[in-house]
Amino acid sequence: QSALTQPASVSGSPGQSITISCTGTSSDVGGYNCVSWYQQHPGKAPKLMIYDVNLWPSGVSNRFSGSKSGSTASLTISGLQAEDEADYYCSSYTSSGTQVFGTGTKVTVL
Amino acid sequence: QVQLQESGPGLVKPSETLSLTCTVSGGSVSSGSYYWSWIRQSPGKALEWIGYMYYTGSSNYNPSLKSRVTISVDRSENGFSLKLTSVTTADTAVYYCARADSSSWPLVGYFDYWGQGTLVTVSS
Repeated sequence: QSALTQPASVSGSPGQSITISCTGTSSDVGGYNCVSWYQQHPGKAPKLMIYDVNLWPSGVSNRFSGSKSGSTASLTISGLQAEDEADYYCSSYTSSGTQVFGTGTKVTVL
Repeated sequence: QVQLQESGPGLVKPSETLSLTCTVSGGSVSSGSYYWSWIRQSPGKALEWIGYMYYTGSSNYNPSLKSRVTISVDRSENGFSLKLTSVTTADTAVYYCARADSSSWPLVGYFDYWGQGTLVTVSS
């Protein structure tokens, strides 16, 4: 299975909004609403930020929002803050009953 | 609060078997609501899903690793284990265990609890 495609890096100034894309196929992102997003700070374990395309786990800021169109999912971070600087990964369920992660995006707060 | 903790050797020789255990606290691996998973991350690289298993023993693995991987449950220790055979330097990575949950059972939706990760280096 091929990794989902994400941009290598995205940057923005504090207070701005940025969007990270996650492109798959009809066998994963396009076929199911089982898309999730994870934030990973250096040396730390990933943290679930969005699940089922656009739902928030308890305790996650609503500055993070998710959406999907066709085989591309997106994560938008609004009101960008210094603490949002991290790596972000998408993940999707696949038609084979497996999971696939994205290639990862490094978010830089300018 | 569910917590997961990985344990096992930090150094494995090439061609040998990598064995890790994940101990779960605050929840039971015999719960019928979750899948128990292993995920790894090579240095400077992206996350890679290894596989998951249900408490009944049914499992599913990454096709690229399937021939070398076994994930099994240890109910007596309330944990689950990972065995990866015939390792090479390409298997050097931080290995995470995680709980997988779903709103669309039996489709596996997301990983909501993670261990802190353990670095395994493959080297002679």
